[in-house]
Amino acid sequence: SYVLTQPPSVSVAPGQTARITCGGNNIGSKSVHWYQQKPGQAPVLVVYDDSDRPSGIPERFSGSNSGNTATLTISRVEAGDEADYYCQVWDSSSDHHWVFGGGTKLTVL
Amino acid sequence: EVQLVESGGGLVQPGGSLRLSCAASGFTFSSYWMSWVRQAPGKGLEWVANIKQDGSEKYYVDSVKGRFTISRDNAKNSLYLQMNSLRAEDTAVYYCARVAAGLYYFDYWGQGTLVTVSS
Repeated sequence: SYVLTQPPSVSVAPGQTARITCGGNNIGSKSVHWYQQKPGQAPVLVVYDDSDRPSGIPERFSGSNSGNTATLTISRVEAGDEADYYCQVWDSSSDHHWVFGGGTKLTVL
Repeated sequence: EVQLVESGGGLVQPGGSLRLSCAASGFTFSSYWMSWVRQAPGKGLEWVANIKQDGSEKYYVDSVKGRFTISRDNAKNSLYLQMNSLRAEDTAVYYCARVAAGLYYFDYWGQGTLVTVSS
């Protein structure tokens, strides 16, 4: 089955740029989606199809995907961005399975 | 406004059964694939099952195949997850999620319902 690898944690100071990676075999050939989850809350979609943003999501959130790594970039990080972030793909090769990365805890210093 | 409200969670003994429900509103339920996603305490997200708009296709993560059954009632705008032969490792918050139309991500999530499998 397809595996997505994320760093367990990323730390950044307010106002700086956070980059959260999601590694997978030839992930650049897949569409990658990103979710934000704050403690005690349901996940929220923040980026879909590698780099598109749902309505209501700030432009500070952006995404890219190439080769074996997809990246969620959060510019001008705010305290309210502190959360867990998960990448997700659809693996057509394994009985229509949907795969999540292990998640990355973003800490705003 | 899209709303997904789960119910049916609780404490169950190993080997027991539980049926989760998800009441959908604010959109044409019968037009969307729907899913269950779970999250064990302190752990990450895990996709559990999907069901097509008319219920004709269903897919499951390997760890629940043969034990869990996803179903829907479009007349009642409701999604279900029948869970049998429950194990301790099934303990999690179970989220109902809508699959974005014709696409492969979840655009709306419910608040979740906690299932605890313990003696």
